[in-house]
Amino acid sequence: QKEVEQDPGPLSVPEGAIVSLNCTYSNSAFQYFMWYRQYSRKGPELLMYTYSSGNKEDGRFTAQVDKSSKYISLFIRDSQPSDSATYLCAMSDYLEETSGSRLTFGEGTQLTVNP
Amino acid sequence: NAGVMQNPRHLVRRRGQEARLRCSPMKGHSHVYWYRQLPEEGLKFMVYLQKENIIDESGMPKERFSAEFPKEGPSILRIQQVVRGDSAAYFCASSTAPNQPQHFGDGTRLSIL
Repeated sequence: QKEVEQDPGPLSVPEGAIVSLNCTYSNSAFQYFMWYRQYSRKGPELLMYTYSSGNKEDGRFTAQVDKSSKYISLFIRDSQPSDSATYLCAMSDYLEETSGSRLTFGEGTQLTVNP
Repeated sequence: NAGVMQNPRHLVRRRGQEARLRCSPMKGHSHVYWYRQLPEEGLKFMVYLQKENIIDESGMPKERFSAEFPKEGPSILRIQQVVRGDSAAYFCASSTAPNQPQHFGDGTRLSIL
């Protein structure tokens, strides 16, 4: 079983729709949760970063974390064609033995927003 | 305000050759991470370094792969005697401290002939 599960899609929505992207995880040690956006042939771009359960909002983006259910979501309001990309969830724990952390990624959801 | 810089963007090598991938972290960042993205797979952690120290190399293949982050200059990911299975996109990320957000470069796409 993968530590992080993410539906790869593809997901196609009309412009202006609300998009919901989700990930589930199995490792209860994960404390930090991120969403990245990756355009074709580019590196992941950090969208949201959170370390607590609840909601965090930034413009048209809302990140939701439910640690009890091991479930995170990203909502995109008023979606635009420029939002068409692959969205990656990522999470990490703090490793005492190395005083550091490493990210574990989902496989990414490919989103297309149609004009 | 430059982001994470990786070079080269594309690298072609023949089987058995060596590949060197470079990463300059964002200004003010002293923590560097390398990830690999194989075709049709997600990003996988390889190694975490601070200046002159390898902190966590649990994701590195045991043979042929090495990484360094010298006191001066970029971090280097080195792959010796490359094989076809090494073909992938290699991404570098940096952060100001452990558990702070990691920011990624645009990667080096390695192709093995």
